[in-house]
Amino acid sequence: LAKTTQPISMDSYEGQEVNITCSHNNIATNDYITWYQQFPSQGPRFIIQGYKTKVTNEVASLFIPADRKSSTLSLPRVSLSDTAVYYCLVGDRYGNKLVFGAGTILRVKS
Amino acid sequence: ETGVTQSPTHLIKTRGQQVTLRCSSQSGHNTVSWYQQALGQGPQFIFQYYREEENGRGNFPPRFSGLQFPNYSSELNVNALELDDSALYLCASRLENRNYGYTFGSGTRLTVV
Repeated sequence: LAKTTQPISMDSYEGQEVNITCSHNNIATNDYITWYQQFPSQGPRFIIQGYKTKVTNEVASLFIPADRKSSTLSLPRVSLSDTAVYYCLVGDRYGNKLVFGAGTILRVKS
Repeated sequence: ETGVTQSPTHLIKTRGQQVTLRCSSQSGHNTVSWYQQALGQGPQFIFQYYREEENGRGNFPPRFSGLQFPNYSSELNVNALELDDSALYLCASRLENRNYGYTFGSGTRLTVV
């Protein structure tokens, strides 16, 4: 499975848009890109998944360039409750046998 | 989305002992995976079951074993506990006809002393 690289941590303020970029240079043709969010002492929670171009749902957008070697998770107007660890993963579309990296710690300040 | 319940929430065991962790998923969640998450790290894949058969395993020794039952519950068994087995153990399951997105439980915090 392709390895991903993300920033270790990011800081933001309430109301700002946050963009977390993930690098996955060895992504396979059949791989999808999936993002999970995890709060302390809880299991990860699925945020969004995409294959190419742009995907948007009620909580986030995912931007994937044509070469698919990177992706950007965009969180609009973050709040304090968005403080969490965000994981970028690549793998099959069903999310089987997920390979988590260390993730990005997002701290939202007031 | 709710639907994956793990028990117990916390557990303390002694080195060398055996432990069984339990997971209960919603009806239709035919695929279940188990993960180990050490403090400050991302979850590590242990193994996956589909319709009661193991169909994938991560880099974990045989003393980590599992079972999946027809009622959508599953177990993770760990024999000969070691201090390094102290971690949060997560169960995740997926609805049969859902294309993506596993639902994770809140985990069992295992401490080996």
